[in-house]
This record gives sequence, structure tokens and C-alpha cells, in this order.
Amino acid sequence: EIVMTQSPATLSVSPGERATLSCRASQSVGSNLAWYQQKPGQTPRLLIYGASTRATGIPARFSGSGSGTEFTLTISSLQSEDFAVYYCQQYNKWPSSFGQGTRLEIK
Amino acid sequence: EVQLVESGGGLVQPGRSLRLSCAASGFSFDDYAMHWVRQTPGKGLEWVAGISWNSGSTDYADSVKGRFTISRDNAKNSLYLQMNSLRVEDTALYYCAKAPFGVLLIEYFDYWGQGTLVTVSS
Repeated sequence: EIVMTQSPATLSVSPGERATLSCRASQSVGSNLAWYQQKPGQTPRLLIYGASTRATGIPARFSGSGSGTEFTLTISSLQSEDFAVYYCQQYNKWPSSFGQGTRLEIK
Repeated sequence: EVQLVESGGGLVQPGRSLRLSCAASGFSFDDYAMHWVRQTPGKGLEWVAGISWNSGSTDYADSVKGRFTISRDNAKNSLYLQMNSLRVEDTALYYCAKAPFGVLLIEYFDYWGQGTLVTVSS
């Protein structure tokens, strides 16, 4: 199974600032990577698929980049509603696998 | 609006069975593959099982293969997960998740339900 490692585990950022979240795969997953946002008590929400394509209705301040084993989710100017846990998922090789999450908190 | 509503979770003893259901609305259910994904505080998110649009293909994580069965009823816009021989380690919040395509692929999930909690304990 491909192991997905996210860093940091917790990221403290002030509203209006940029946040950069990382995800590393234990082997190449090409561009078959998705990002999800999960707020407390809520369901995961798809943000990005194909490493860089925003899902329907996702604001342009969310962007994804990377390929192979190194990926980044960038939130350009943090809004209050963006503070949540973010997960990456590879869907290149069976079984699909998720990272352990990065908690984005208000500084 | 896509809605996925899970039900059927609860407290069950090890070795017993439970059947989860997911009621779908707001999209053409019979056009898309569907999956079950579970979440625990310790292990995080784990894909459990998937089924193609027409039930022609199913797939399972090794951890549940031979114990869990995924099925669907397109006439009822419903997805199911029959869980047998439950173990303590199956304790989790179980989500129903919609795939972006009809064929069963290793894929991402574009919509998720709110989840139903399964607790396996004596």
C-alpha cells in the first residue's frame, strides 16, 4: 500500500495569510491525487483532484500542485471558514490511501 | 443538490452482523459507482469497498474482504454494506461516498454523506 505522509501535522496561520500544506507519497502516484477539507462534525469535502483541478464550487484561493511523490495545497489568503483538517488521497494504485491529515488552526 | 444519508450504525458485539444503508438523492444514482469509506481517530480515513454503477464490479479492502459485502438497488437509489463477523477494529464512522464515474475505478470521491457510527464492543 502507498503510504501518504502529510506535513506539518498542525499549521498555525493568521487570517489573510497564505497557508502551504504538503503531502508526500511513498512511491509515485503521477497526478492521481486529491485534497479534501473536513470541518469539525462535518463530512469531507472534495477540494482538488488530478493534483491541481479545483472541484465544483471551490474558491480560486485554493490551489494544488505537484506530481509524482510531492504535492502541495496552497490557500492564498485564509478566510475564517478555511480553518479545518485537510487530507490528501492517492488514487493511482490499489488500494486508494489517505494521509493522516493537517490541522489548520488560527494563529 | 447531492445528498447521501447513511443509516444502520450502532453498537454490536464482536462476531455479530450489521447492515448499513445509504439513501441517495439529487443525482442520477444509477450512473455512478459508489463506495464506503470509514474513519477512526487512530487510523484516519480508510477506503472499505466500492461497486460499479450496475453492480457488475465490486472491490474490497483486504481488511474486510470475505466479511463485508457491498450492494446497491438502483430502483431505490440505495447503497448497502453488509458487515459480518465484526471485529473491534471495525469500529469507525462509516461514510457513503459518490464516485465521479460509473465504472469502478481506483478513484476520488466527489460527495460524501454525514456518516453512521459503528461500534463493535462486548
